[in-house]
Amino acid sequence: SQELEQSPQSLIVQEGKNLTINCTSSKTLYGLYWYKQKYGEGLIFLMMLQKGGEEKSHEKITAKLDEKKQQSSLHITASQPSHAGIYLCGASNQGAQKLVFGQGTRLTINP
Amino acid sequence: EPEVTQTPSHQVTQMGQEVILRCVPISNHLYFYWYRQILGQKVEFLVSFYNNEISEKSEIFDDQFSVERPDGSNFTLKIRSTKLEDSAMYFCAPAGGLNTEAFFGQGTRLTVV
Repeated sequence: SQELEQSPQSLIVQEGKNLTINCTSSKTLYGLYWYKQKYGEGLIFLMMLQKGGEEKSHEKITAKLDEKKQQSSLHITASQPSHAGIYLCGASNQGAQKLVFGQGTRLTINP
Repeated sequence: EPEVTQTPSHQVTQMGQEVILRCVPISNHLYFYWYRQILGQKVEFLVSFYNNEISEKSEIFDDQFSVERPDGSNFTLKIRSTKLEDSAMYFCAPAGGLNTEAFFGQGTRLTVV
């Protein structure tokens, strides 16, 4: 079965700094989803990547899927307190929408 | 982002009682997925539902669980006899097709006492 490993597990950065979160899969990724979650709340969809080398951006958040399609990174530029939360990556198998999730990365932004 | 409404937002139930969790997608979705997240743990797939039948289920989804779409709109997850370990957030995630964006509902927090 597919496993997703996120790194780091937690991250504390000063407001205004850039940061990167990684998601590594044990198998080829066909669809990679990034979500943000406030502790104990719902999952907010950020981005979906499907093609090797694909890169998408939304406001100050950029996600990439590497060429070999076994790793994705989420990069936040000039972090703000509103970026604080838990970031989750989820992967789907080819032809299916069922998602397998990583354990999450807890991001704290210090003013 | 398409809205997915889940009710109730929070439910406390006694062990052994039946609970029904509801999901109301705004758009016409063909695929429905239920996930759960025990506090502090990973989000786990429970079951997928397509064309009025279960298409895939996980080991978690045992005989105590069932899903249905009773009126063509609402999508429900029923737990017949709740156990303490069923305490978790339950998320509904409908989809319009395969390999499409997957939006989650805000979740139902189930607490079994």
